[in-house]
Amino acid sequence: SQTIHQWPATLVQPVGSPLSLECTVEGTSNPNLYWYRQAAGRGLQLLFYSVGIGQISSEVPQNLSASRPQDRQFILSSKKLLLSDSGFYLCAWRLKKYTFGSGTRLTVV
Amino acid sequence: GESVGLHLPTLSVQEGDNSIINCAYSNSASDYFIWYKQESGKGPQFIIDIRSNMDKRQGQRVTVLLNKTVKHLSLQIAATQPGDSAVYFCAENNAGNMLTFGGGTRLMVKP
Repeated sequence: SQTIHQWPATLVQPVGSPLSLECTVEGTSNPNLYWYRQAAGRGLQLLFYSVGIGQISSEVPQNLSASRPQDRQFILSSKKLLLSDSGFYLCAWRLKKYTFGSGTRLTVV
Repeated sequence: GESVGLHLPTLSVQEGDNSIINCAYSNSASDYFIWYKQESGKGPQFIIDIRSNMDKRQGQRVTVLLNKTVKHLSLQIAATQPGDSAVYFCAENNAGNMLTFGGGTRLMVKP
């Protein structure tokens, strides 16, 4: 079966520290992969999407970057976190339908 | 830019009543729409979808209606249960195969 894994579930990081969030999918190949961010009580904002290894498209200019080193691995990174980077980060993949991971709650302090 | 917008309300319904959650979209070229349910601290879960060549689709206790003339989408939940309490998002799929989400509606079910 097809599954998506996202970790960690929660993360508290100081301002200026680096970030690495990982997302992996199983049971499929060459999926479209997406990173979304959700501010508290708000909708989902698309940050990055990838249609293949090494292919990253950015939807909004920001303090974050994404990479896809392997077909089923999608990484969200930052060199120096800002307070405004706090939020709920969701990875998603699409074959026929979109499926979301369980999310990472990031708090920058 | 083109967007899907939910006027973010909190909808409060009595257990057993029917719920209707509405969504307006602006991209007339969108060909696929999805409703998601998100419980606190979790990722969105797929509920039901509809393609633009349809105006109604039914699932188990849920119905999605699409009115392309006025660019309106609605989710109807029959016999609402406490477990239906969550935030509901509509999303549209555009030509770039990306989802654009509305702002969400919180559904609260009173016992």
